[in-house]
Amino acid sequence: KQEVTQIPAALSVPEGENLVLNCSFTDSAIYNLQWFRQDPGKGLTSLLLIQSSQREQTSGRLNASLDKSSGRSTLYIAASQPGDSATYLCAVSNAGGTSYGKLTFGQGTILTVHP
Amino acid sequence: AAGVIQSPRHLIKEKRETATLKCYPIPRHDTVYWYQQGPGQDPQFLISFYEKMQSDKGSIPDRFSAQQFSDYHSELNMSSLELGDSALYFCASQNFMNTEAFFGQGTRLTVV
Repeated sequence: KQEVTQIPAALSVPEGENLVLNCSFTDSAIYNLQWFRQDPGKGLTSLLLIQSSQREQTSGRLNASLDKSSGRSTLYIAASQPGDSATYLCAVSNAGGTSYGKLTFGQGTILTVHP
Repeated sequence: AAGVIQSPRHLIKEKRETATLKCYPIPRHDTVYWYQQGPGQDPQFLISFYEKMQSDKGSIPDRFSAQQFSDYHSELNMSSLELGDSALYFCASQNFMNTEAFFGQGTRLTVV
């Protein structure tokens, strides 16, 4: 059974700092890995999706990497801003079927960026 | 671009009542997924449908049922509601040819 772990559980940084969020998964047979942002009580905003054949994806100040063989992904946020404060969730889509959207989520990292 | 639409956005029900949540997928998406996110928890997969047939099943209680209709929208029916059913319920849709699923904004169900 796939298990996804995110470290740290919470992170508080001053504005402008670069930071890294970590995600690990136990079963490397995945279709893709996705990073989401969730504001309190709100929906899931997809940030980046990395296909299993890819090593990284970039969007603006965000860069996500994937090392499928070691079961690890990192989300790098450059020049953090208070507006980045949210919970960041990592999720993987397991291979072996056609349910690509059946995701296993990590518990999330609660990020606080203070001015 | 059209997104996944969920209705209602908020729902308050009493214990033992029934609730119906609706999901309208992105046009031309043939697969729908339902997730439940309890307070402080990560989203948990409940059930999925492909071309109106159940394609996968997760930790969905027997009190819950779901189906996908001919227009590809889906409904999650929840009966004999319990306090522990209070959660955010997400729907996601996907086109079979694409591995990315897109999420709706969720329905917040509160059982009192």
